[in-house]
Amino acid sequence: GAGVSQSPSNKVTEKGKDVELRCDPISGHTALYWYRQSLGQGLEFLIYFQGNSAPDKSGLPSDRFSAERTGGSVSTLTIQRTQQEDSAVYLCASSLVTRAGGPNEQFFGPGTRLTVL
Amino acid sequence: GDSVTQMEGPVTLSEEAFLTINCTYTATGYPSLFWYVQYPGEGLQLLLKATKADDKGSNKGFEATYRKETTSFHLEKGSVQVSDSAVYFCALSDYGGSQGNLIFGKGTKLSVKP
Repeated sequence: GAGVSQSPSNKVTEKGKDVELRCDPISGHTALYWYRQSLGQGLEFLIYFQGNSAPDKSGLPSDRFSAERTGGSVSTLTIQRTQQEDSAVYLCASSLVTRAGGPNEQFFGPGTRLTVL
Repeated sequence: GDSVTQMEGPVTLSEEAFLTINCTYTATGYPSLFWYVQYPGEGLQLLLKATKADDKGSNKGFEATYRKETTSFHLEKGSVQVSDSAVYFCALSDYGGSQGNLIFGKGTKLSVKP
């Protein structure tokens, strides 16, 4: 079946502009994760959704970052007033419901490469 | 907090050489451990996993054993191929009442020469 898809695959924007990144998880996966992959920081966890709820937003690097998920499916990561240090590859992953004693494999999308000029 | 440390790369080997990529972790609970691989131009893929102490994960000739006493999960392969050239990430997830996000090491780039 279809895997995790993300759009756009590449985004170039000017400093100070807002951007929206989209993630379509695998159908039936209730858990959704956003990560950021950058040269200096490696792979960092940003936010987790269980259904439409995000119980922990502490991984978001600043209040310019926000994310939502609607209908327990598609998720959007929004970065306001982008800065050059936001340049990175943003990865989305989904899995079946997370439970204590897991693990459920996380399936990753191809990522969105964001470049802030 | 929880963390993963893996050996710095890049690692360059000749085909059929033995591979070891070291990975150690720090965790307050009882995490599950993973190796993910990212081939050139592709997304992250799960390579293997282990959920409890002494478990051995294996896939595509790669193996890693969950060693609680040394808090390690080293990746090994007896004979690497050119097609194994990729970036390898060690990761953990502590599912004990938490959200199950992955905590990754920095990644190790492997290049295998013919």
